[in-house]
Amino acid sequence: QKEVEQNSGPLSVPEGAIASLNCTYSDRGSQSFFWYRQYSGKSPELIMFIYSNGDKEDGRFTAQLNKASQYVSLLIRDSQPSDSATYLCAVASSGGSYIPTFGRGTSLIVHP
Amino acid sequence: DAGVIQSPRHEVTEMGQEVTLRCKPISGHDYLFWYRQTMMRGLELLIYFNNNVPIDDSGMPEDRFSAKMPNASFSTLKIQPSEPRDSAVYFCASSFLFDEQFFGPGTRLTVL
Repeated sequence: QKEVEQNSGPLSVPEGAIASLNCTYSDRGSQSFFWYRQYSGKSPELIMFIYSNGDKEDGRFTAQLNKASQYVSLLIRDSQPSDSATYLCAVASSGGSYIPTFGRGTSLIVHP
Repeated sequence: DAGVIQSPRHEVTEMGQEVTLRCKPISGHDYLFWYRQTMMRGLELLIYFNNNVPIDDSGMPEDRFSAKMPNASFSTLKIQPSEPRDSAVYFCASSFLFDEQFFGPGTRLTVL
């Protein structure tokens, strides 16, 4: 059973701070890692993906992958109230036919 | 493209009734996924299709659930008979190969 674990939160940060969201996974053969954002009452949307160890930056978002430790994280710099949402981590491997397994998500609240 | 289209957006029915959820994927996408999301269990993959063929239905909770994809532009998820514990938001998503999944707006199902 492939597992993807996230702290459900809520994680509360002040506006302008760095929000750090973490995700651990059980399958060492995992190869693709995704972060989806889901606003309340809406559907998930992809914001970042990463395949290689290290950091990947896109605007205010940075995804960090450490395969040896089996964790992936998402950093949001200069957090804005509009970043308040649930962030879902998804992990895919060849053993799972590359179909992502989703974590249950971390709720982020950015307060003014 | 209009994105993934789902209907109905809301469905309220009584226990024992048949429920049919519909999905139109993004044109050109070869994978279609059905998910169920609840507070208790998060986002669960029910079944997915590749080129209209069901590949993995191990997530379908019971024989009361069935899904079809008669052509590349249409899929249905049917629950017969429905039960109160089926109440959830059902998402359809599509993707090209193993790339980003695009989610539809979801169908909020309430079984009384």
